[in-house]
Amino acid sequence: SQQGEEDPQALSIQEGENATMNCSYKTSINNLQWYRQNSGRGLVHLILIRSNEREKHSGRLRVTLDTSKKSSSLLITASRAADTASYFCATDARNQGGKLIFGQGTELSVKP
Amino acid sequence: NAGVTQTPKFQVLKTGQSMTLQCAQDMNHEYMSWYRQDPGMGLRLIHYSVGAGITDQGEVPNGYNVSRSTTEDFPLRLLSAAPSQTSVYFCASSYQDRGYGYTFGSGTRLTVV
Repeated sequence: SQQGEEDPQALSIQEGENATMNCSYKTSINNLQWYRQNSGRGLVHLILIRSNEREKHSGRLRVTLDTSKKSSSLLITASRAADTASYFCATDARNQGGKLIFGQGTELSVKP
Repeated sequence: NAGVTQTPKFQVLKTGQSMTLQCAQDMNHEYMSWYRQDPGMGLRLIHYSVGAGITDQGEVPNGYNVSRSTTEDFPLRLLSAAPSQTSVYFCASSYQDRGYGYTFGSGTRLTVV
């Protein structure tokens, strides 16, 4: 079964609003990563947070990690129509030799 | 341009045919992986490699073979195509250092009829 599960599966917001996506996972990790996929394209790496970090920022992105709850969240602030995409979390599990396992993703729609 | 190159971009196969999906990267990445993406299923790991000569199975390896004879190339072989292998296939690569994310190719859309 997949390591990460994301919530919600779909999210629709207005431009300017914030979008929050959540990811839960099952095993101990080295790091957790977030990716974006525009329709019909490959995935693009957004941000990586290590297991000893609790929060990380990159531009309008904020990622948090709670290893005690085995969960992470991605916050996109002041969203734009161009943020419309699918967002995936992926875990690099400890003792798994470099495997990166993805969740099923959250489909974000930002309406102008 | 640096990156992950996948060929072909589109392919139609008949049931029972075999083929190889090509993946090449020019970033000297140690790690390479193959994923398939189906509607509603996210990405599922097929096979991965942590370096030349080393490969291992992922979540859904049945029906696929891989080899890694060089750092740059990581081909995926479909031994006897089945309709259940209709999917979009992505190749990805990364540095061995756990502080880096993966770089993805643009994908191969495979249809098995």
